[in-house]
Amino acid sequence: GQNIDQPTEMTATEGAIVQINCTYQTSGFNGLFWYQQHAGEAPTFLSYNVLDGLEEKGRFSSFLSRSKGYSYLLLKELQMKDSASYLCAVTDSNYQLIWGAGTKLIIKP
Amino acid sequence: DTAVSQTPKYLVTQMGNDKSIKCEQNLGHDTMYWYKQDSKKFLKIMFSYNNKELIINETVPNRFSPKSPDKAHLNLHINSLELGDSAVYFCASSQGGDLYNSPLHFGNGTRLTVT
Repeated sequence: GQNIDQPTEMTATEGAIVQINCTYQTSGFNGLFWYQQHAGEAPTFLSYNVLDGLEEKGRFSSFLSRSKGYSYLLLKELQMKDSASYLCAVTDSNYQLIWGAGTKLIIKP
Repeated sequence: DTAVSQTPKYLVTQMGNDKSIKCEQNLGHDTMYWYKQDSKKFLKIMFSYNNKELIINETVPNRFSPKSPDKAHLNLHINSLELGDSAVYFCASSQGGDLYNSPLHFGNGTRLTVT
């Protein structure tokens, strides 16, 4: 079966750095997405990786290793507004999007 | 405003009723989707339409019927509602063609509660 694993919940301190991991086992691979979802709101697109390596976008970076079936989202200089769920999603060989359950990130002052 | 908009935001109804959720996007996207997000926060694809044609139809009860009158609209009709249908339903759209690298733009969701 197809599976995406993320930690259920993480806690970090305002101003710090946090890394949210995602591992996947899918039928083929055509890209990996990270989305942010605040409570009661819609998911919003953060990043897309299809090649190995690090993609940096402001305070957020996303890393991919296809050989390891592994990605992480790195959030720097954490702000209270970063408290949200972070969803990892992988496109398989049939271009179906497989979603993880998301990681709830709690930021403490 | 350019966006994906869906109505209603909240829907409370009784078992056995029939209800519809409407979705419209003005982003010029070719592909639209319906997702269900349950209490465990898993997003599950239900349907996907590309230029008014059905391209994804996951294992969803026949009580759920999508309708796409044009590529900017994808409505969801649900017959004979059941308790297990209670969830948040998200409409989304993406650029057509390269589905695998086009990010999804989501509507704000419809929280359906069946009593």
